[in-house]
Amino acid sequence: SVLLYQKPNRDICQSGTSLKIQCVADSQVVSMFWYQQFQEQSLMLMATANEGSEATYESGFTKDKFPISRPNLTFSTLTVNNARPGDSSIYFCSSRADNYAEQFFGPGTRLTVL
Amino acid sequence: GDKVKQSPSALSLQEGTNSALRCNFSIAATTVQWFLQNPRGSLINLFYLVPGTKENGRLKSAFDSKESYSTLHIRDAQLEDSGTYFCAAVGGSNYKLTFGKGTLLTVTP
Repeated sequence: SVLLYQKPNRDICQSGTSLKIQCVADSQVVSMFWYQQFQEQSLMLMATANEGSEATYESGFTKDKFPISRPNLTFSTLTVNNARPGDSSIYFCSSRADNYAEQFFGPGTRLTVL
Repeated sequence: GDKVKQSPSALSLQEGTNSALRCNFSIAATTVQWFLQNPRGSLINLFYLVPGTKENGRLKSAFDSKESYSTLHIRDAQLEDSGTYFCAAVGGSNYKLTFGKGTLLTVTP
C-alpha cells in the first residue's frame, strides 16, 4: 500500500487569492491524481499529475485555474488560482503503482473560500 | 448516464442486522474498489477486486465482470459502520478510477 500525506489539512481563504496544496507519498509511485469532492457528493477526477511534464486535465478543469506540478515520483502540488466560493470542497491526492493496482487516497484538504 | 451506478443512495440499519450495497457498471470494468468515507472525510480502502470475491471480517464483496456489477455485504452492522460507502471502477482504455455517487449508511442502536 501507499501512504499519502497532504498539507494543509484545511484552509480558509478569501476570494481572488491562490492556495497551494501539497501531497507527499511514502514511496515512489508511477501515477498520481487529484480529485475534487463537493459536500455530500462523489469524488471527481480533476487531473493526472505526470512526473516532469504537464498534467493531463479532465473536462471542466484547466491548468490556468488548477496548475499541478509533479517534480518527482513522490511529490505533487495542486494550486487553486483566483479562488471562488464555488471552489470550496475537499481536494484529495491519490496514487497507485500501475494501471491495474489498488488506488490509495490522501486524507484530503478541506478548502473554504469566503 | 452514470458509468458507475450505486444503490441504494441511502440506507438505515439497526445494529446487528445485515444488508447489501450494489454497483452496476456501464463501462467494461476490470477492477473495482470499495471505500468507506468516515464522518471526518477520510477515505478508507475496504476492498480491491478483480473478478471474484473477498471477505474481511463482517464485510464481504463480490465483483462479476461479465454481468457488470459488484456487491458489498455488511453482516451484523455496528454503529462504527456508519458513513458513506463508495464503489469505484477502472474500465475501458483510460485506466481512470470512476466513482459511484455513494450510499449513505446510518446504523442505529
